[in-house]
Amino acid sequence: GQNIDQPTEMTATEGAIVQINCTYQTSGFNGLFWYQQHAGEAPTFLSYNVLDGLEEKGRFSSFLSRSKGYSYLLLKELQMKDSASYLCAVRRPNSGGYQKVTFGTGTKLQVIP
Amino acid sequence: EAQVTQNPRYLITVTGKKLTVTCSQNMNHEYMSWYRQDPGLGLRQIYYSMNVEVTDKGDVPEGYKVSRKEKRNFPLILESPSPNQTSLYFCASSLYHKGQGVTEAFFGQGTRLTVV
Repeated sequence: GQNIDQPTEMTATEGAIVQINCTYQTSGFNGLFWYQQHAGEAPTFLSYNVLDGLEEKGRFSSFLSRSKGYSYLLLKELQMKDSASYLCAVRRPNSGGYQKVTFGTGTKLQVIP
Repeated sequence: EAQVTQNPRYLITVTGKKLTVTCSQNMNHEYMSWYRQDPGLGLRQIYYSMNVEVTDKGDVPEGYKVSRKEKRNFPLILESPSPNQTSLYFCASSLYHKGQGVTEAFFGQGTRLTVV
């Protein structure tokens, strides 16, 4: 089966930095996505990694190590509006040459004043 | 405005009564997929489609059907709904690049289905 692990919940302080980890063991890998989902809303895309290393987009950065099956999302200068769930998703090929996407269960981040 | 539109947003139905949830995107995306989201289980892919007339099972396809007759539409069909299909459903679409593969997903607003 496919296994993607994230912490269930995290709490961090406004203005601080928080790192949300994601580890995966999947049958195949060719990319990893991070999404943000506010309560009651649809997920929205944050970042994408296909090669090892760090991708930076403003206050958000994402890191990937394919050899370790590990990624993290780094949020800097936390704001109250960053309180949301953060979803890690692995893109992987299947035997038919198609591409499936498998999500982790998500990390609920609470930002406190 | 680029968007993925699902209908209905909310639906309460009875066990065994066939239903269809529609999904339409206006971005000319090749790849479309359906997910269900349940507490503690996250988003799970039900079915996906790489292009017109090309569909494949995701991780939880039992009890669902899909079709992709046109590029913009990807309806989800529950032939005989059961209470364990009560869930929040999301449709999503993505570009598919031959070199890069499937890119980031754009999600519809969700359909909250209750089967009693």
